[in-house]
Amino acid sequence: IQLTQSPSSLSASVGDRVTITCRASQDITTFLAWYQQRPGKAPNLLIYGASTLQSGVPSRFSGSGSGTDFTLTISSLQPEDFATYYCQQINHYPRTFGQGTNLEIK
Amino acid sequence: VQLVESGGGVVQPGTSLRLSCAASGFTFSNYALHWVRQAPGKGLEWVAGISYSGGNIYYSDSVKGRFTISRDNSKNTLHLQMSNLREGDTALYYCVRDQGLYDFWSASVDWGQGTLVTVSS
Repeated sequence: IQLTQSPSSLSASVGDRVTITCRASQDITTFLAWYQQRPGKAPNLLIYGASTLQSGVPSRFSGSGSGTDFTLTISSLQPEDFATYYCQQINHYPRTFGQGTNLEIK
Repeated sequence: VQLVESGGGVVQPGTSLRLSCAASGFTFSNYALHWVRQAPGKGLEWVAGISYSGGNIYYSDSVKGRFTISRDNSKNTLHLQMSNLREGDTALYYCVRDQGLYDFWSASVDWGQGTLVTVSS
């Protein structure tokens, strides 16, 4: 299953609302997770089940979607949110990741 | 939860290497585990996964037939035996634990810091 994220990169300012999309090549119901990766660090789980916020993740992060189309929204960007974001499908093996979205400071 | 990878290094194409992941802080035998890699400056690539019991194993197409994932539930250790290594296998290899109890279809909640494998002539 291929996952296509858009955009590949995004420039935004602190306080902005941003949305990243992830499209699957076939139906994965809600077996989708979102991860944040800061430079030089391991990825961190943000969202699982397409829309469930992982414990400890700020509520400004939210996820939605089912089937083939999914979104990750950050309601009000904070300085620590500038990072790379990946979606991952866990409905079928082999698991796959999107190519990533690099969120940069404008 | 701690996941500590080891075994990385610089090797020549065509050779083999064995990665290990020592786990602690959770009941090892209850959770699925995976290897995920990241080539320098590139995105994440899922490599292989093994269910909590070891009874189910899957590989990415890029490593199938060359890599073998295994686990020792008595020693809380995950392994990745890599053979016939290629320059394209150069990456940071992460050991990853899923969050679901006895579940092979849950998200990956814990990640190690990775061990670097460099394949170069």
